[in-house]
Amino acid sequence: GESVGLHLPTLSVQEGDNSIINCAYSNSASDYFIWYKQESGKGPQFIIDIRSNMDKRQGQRVTVLLNKTVKHLSLQIAATQPGDSAVYFCAENKRTSGSRLTFGEGTQLTVNP
Amino acid sequence: DTAVSQTPKYLVTQMGNDKSIKCEQNLGHDTMYWYKQDSKKFLKIMFSYNNKELIINETVPNRFSPKSPDKAHLNLHINSLELGDSAVYFCASSHFGTTSTDTQYFGPGTRLTVL
Repeated sequence: GESVGLHLPTLSVQEGDNSIINCAYSNSASDYFIWYKQESGKGPQFIIDIRSNMDKRQGQRVTVLLNKTVKHLSLQIAATQPGDSAVYFCAENKRTSGSRLTFGEGTQLTVNP
Repeated sequence: DTAVSQTPKYLVTQMGNDKSIKCEQNLGHDTMYWYKQDSKKFLKIMFSYNNKELIINETVPNRFSPKSPDKAHLNLHINSLELGDSAVYFCASSHFGTTSTDTQYFGPGTRLTVL
């Protein structure tokens, strides 16, 4: 399953399928991007990050792709499990002093058994 | 457990009251943040402190006043609460770095409901 466009807030997939969550960022000066997972009633939890000098980074079952040309970020989750159900946020860090994260609107991922 | 903790988890209060939310981190970080998450799940930074010094102050009503007694604590005091203040408030912490790659770790959130 794949979320498309900027304004689709939900993505529903079958257990075992791969999920792709998309995000567009606005600031071409951003040099660091992060994906967070937020389960119901909890705070955002770091999943994976990527610097602007990379276009792909892999973690355990997750891959982040960065396309700076079109200012697009995606999170791929392999073999999606029910425990992956959550809201996923991308965030960008602008090149200012300190760590000023700007969050995207979030995508609700629902995994159906 | 090493973590970012917040108290209280839930806060229900009347309009016009003054309330505080406390945040503590034992991760050894020197930078702490307050974020507001609205009903549509949108997360927006409010404040950031580095070593007790305010470094980010977004456009937030001056009824909101952060206080950092030391680098492990960042409290948020809200005066004259309004209905629109109802939201989930998250504290976060990180190392302060010029490389901008310092991961922020979030607390569990405080759900504030103003009646």
